[in-house]
Amino acid sequence: RKEVEQDPGPFNVPEGATVAFNCTYSNSASQSFFWYRQDCRKEPKLLMSVYSSGNEDGRFTAQLNRASQYISLLIRDSKLSDSATYLCVVNPPRNTDKLIFGTGTRLQVFP
Amino acid sequence: GAVVSQHPSWVICKSGTSVKIECRSLDFQATTMFWYRQFPKQSLMLMATSNEGSKATYEQGVEKDKFLINHASLTLSTLTVTSAHPEDSSFYICSALPNYSRSNSPLHFGNGTRLTVT
Repeated sequence: RKEVEQDPGPFNVPEGATVAFNCTYSNSASQSFFWYRQDCRKEPKLLMSVYSSGNEDGRFTAQLNRASQYISLLIRDSKLSDSATYLCVVNPPRNTDKLIFGTGTRLQVFP
Repeated sequence: GAVVSQHPSWVICKSGTSVKIECRSLDFQATTMFWYRQFPKQSLMLMATSNEGSKATYEQGVEKDKFLINHASLTLSTLTVTSAHPEDSSFYICSALPNYSRSNSPLHFGNGTRLTVT
């Protein structure tokens, strides 16, 4: 089983739609979680950290379910500029600096 | 803040030659930097952890004699791909962990280097 698993997509949604991605992780002792965004042929950029109580940043909401070992990202009112690959990233236990990346979920927002 | 610069952005080289990639932290010091590689439609895979003033720690399956890492200062780490072959063609990305970071802080990445070996 992969350490971090994501549905690769693509998710094709119209502007204004709400879309959600899930990500599962295998190590129950993982310490911290992030969502990164990666545009084609560019480096990943931090979108948001994921906190145990869930957190929101504008149109983006992240949630963590430790019991089921998954994290989610919800995007409301999708914009064309949201089209990208969204990477689920997990920090394994005993190493707070070494990040494990999922393969990413591709989102395409169309007019 | 926390800007990481990587150079070059892209490079094409002939098989058998060596290529050096630089990763600089522009506005902070970083004892620890990381080198990742990403093949098309795959996730980023950690190659090695670069530590200032000491030897790098390589991930399983990464040849340390082929991917030479030097981290001689708190703001610069270099990755040299020696005797490059077409299968080394990939997107190489560095990241740096600011020394002022708390644990569990996210990483900031360089802009990446696209290497093509012909």
